Amino acid sequence: NAGVTQTPKFQVLKTGQSMTLQCAQDMNHNSMYWYRQDPGMGLRLIYYSASEGTTDKGEVPNGYNVSRLNKREFSLRLESAAPSQTSVYFCASHSTANTEAFFGQGTRLTVV
Amino acid sequence: QKEVEQNSGPLSVPEGAIASLNCTYSDRGSQSFFWYRQYSGKSPELIMSIYSNGDKEDGRFTAQLNKASQYVSLLIRDSQPSDSATYLCAVSSGGYNKLIFGAGTRLAVHP
Repeated sequence: NAGVTQTPKFQVLKTGQSMTLQCAQDMNHNSMYWYRQDPGMGLRLIYYSASEGTTDKGEVPNGYNVSRLNKREFSLRLESAAPSQTSVYFCASHSTANTEAFFGQGTRLTVV
Repeated sequence: QKEVEQNSGPLSVPEGAIASLNCTYSDRGSQSFFWYRQYSGKSPELIMSIYSNGDKEDGRFTAQLNKASQYVSLLIRDSQPSDSATYLCAVSSGGYNKLIFGAGTRLAVHP
């Protein structure tokens, strides 16, 4: 039972580089999320997707793009990384009927 | 005003005491309410969900919801050092049941 799988677990980028964080869930969930977590800030919503083919901005979308490739996968792209994007990123998912969310193990990103 | 607010703590309680964690939310249309526990360096894990006014008990945990006051709380009875973690309040609202988190309260249980 894999649940929610994020890759990579750790990444170091140079300012201006781009990268894509991958997330996949095997629970047939419609809703998927990307959050970032900084010390003392809790989980801040970057983007979410209520269903395949739809995405919406959250609280902190600037500097990010997302793609809901299919029902299983929801990727987060940093086109030009900045030190302010140094954070831990979590992907989560839940079904439409039950909003109890499951989380991936997180991606620790450092931008230097 | 933030959508979901929590006192950041730290909340320090002695072992065996009751820990009380509080959360307020701004969207009166919110329907679902959750408490997650997060150990340092780990992912959040769901410990309680509550959907209607009143209390819901699960072992040493009790969640309380008051929709009129837009207030959710979590009580942890007989607190143990292993309960030391950050507790995140989450609220689901809107047409797509978007899940919004508070900043979390750090709980420290000392022997």
